Amino acid sequence: NAGVTQTPKFRVLKTGQSMTLLCAQDMNHEYMYWYRQDPGMGLRLIHYSVGEGTTAKGEVPDGYNVSRLKKQNFLLGLESAAPSQTSVYFCASSYATGHTEAFFGQGTRLTVV
Amino acid sequence: ELKVEQNPLFLSMQEGKNYTIYCNYSTTSDRLYWYRQDPGKSLESLFVLLSNGAVKQEGRLMASLDTKARLSTLHITAAVHDLSATYFCAVRSGGSNYKLTFGKGTLLTVNP
Repeated sequence: NAGVTQTPKFRVLKTGQSMTLLCAQDMNHEYMYWYRQDPGMGLRLIHYSVGEGTTAKGEVPDGYNVSRLKKQNFLLGLESAAPSQTSVYFCASSYATGHTEAFFGQGTRLTVV
Repeated sequence: ELKVEQNPLFLSMQEGKNYTIYCNYSTTSDRLYWYRQDPGKSLESLFVLLSNGAVKQEGRLMASLDTKARLSTLHITAAVHDLSATYFCAVRSGGSNYKLTFGKGTLLTVNP
């Protein structure tokens, strides 16, 4: 049981380049989330999804797009990377109901130069 | 808009001492989580609290939830060095908006 898997784990981009981060979960979770973590800022929600085909904006959505075409996958896209998007990105997923936690991926460390 | 405030943000304590981390939130929620994060690692789940008055304990850590006060506490008993980490509370909004919002975290350092 892999849980939540993020791809890639590390990436260096040049300003203006684009990339997609993939989050895959094998627990049949309804909810999925993308966060960025910066020193002193905690985890800030970028976008989230409560089901296949649905997405919503979080706290810091600008410069990012997302898609959830399949229930198990949640993609985060950067169309034109900026140095301000240098961060560690975490994906999480959870059931809608029940007494279980939200599970996190291992993170993607992205550097934009 | 749900706001989650943790305090303190930094906590340095001696081994063997007790302390409490506080998590306040601003609007209705349907659950509250506590996580631990070690440097360079992902987040590890500690507790999930769903109902008012819920109390959970694991080892030297005990978490409680007061939904009326919109307050959760994480109590550390007889701290040991291995508890040094950053602790986050996270609150999932109630109603039809299921955002999961985190506090800024508490960096705990336990000194010998």
